[in-house]
Amino acid sequence: DAMVIQNPRYQVTQFGKPVTLSCSQTLNHNVMYWYQQKSSQAPKLLFHYYDKDFNNEADTPDNFQSRRPNTSFCFLDIRSPGLGDAAMYLCAIGTGRVDEQFFGPGTRLTVL
Amino acid sequence: RKEVEQDPGPFNVPEGATVAFNCTYSNSASQSFFWYRQDCRKEPKLLMSVYSSGNEDGRFTAQLNRASQYISLLIRDSKLSDSATYLCVVTDGNKLVFGAGTILRVKS
Repeated sequence: DAMVIQNPRYQVTQFGKPVTLSCSQTLNHNVMYWYQQKSSQAPKLLFHYYDKDFNNEADTPDNFQSRRPNTSFCFLDIRSPGLGDAAMYLCAIGTGRVDEQFFGPGTRLTVL
Repeated sequence: RKEVEQDPGPFNVPEGATVAFNCTYSNSASQSFFWYRQDCRKEPKLLMSVYSSGNEDGRFTAQLNRASQYISLLIRDSKLSDSATYLCVVTDGNKLVFGAGTILRVKS
């Protein structure tokens, strides 16, 4: 059974139209991460939650926001997607130990 | 300079070949090191941790040289199913920092 579920798997949006990506987990792990991975590039950490504590990376654009209403769910909101935001968005869960981080299947975002 | 640098490849090898990937990292404070595997359009998955003493898991051997800030992965007897992108990963505190990956294509 999948530990990390991401919906939708594929999302198409228009330039400037807000979009929300969803991540849920079945393990009740404390930590949830959002990464952005562009084609042929490394996954780049956008932010993470340790329980309810939100930790934003310094270079994450303001256009990207996140919500974690409970332990199981985490959302990535892109307020005004640009063409440069087209990417795979990966959610990961963890216990806080760096060797225990598990990725979801990702949501591939296309911006038209 | 990127925090984690890898040769992007691709490495095209025949089945049964031995292939080695290298990775360098810039943060001397990194404490933990990993190799992840990522199949095309899929999520990264942990392949193995890397220790200073070196470690082996079947056909895969990983080595770490802290003095040179260098990590390697050796794959022996390559299989078609080994075709993937191999991501070198180091830690920055409790965060993972990924390299862009090295593409391996194993051909029959």
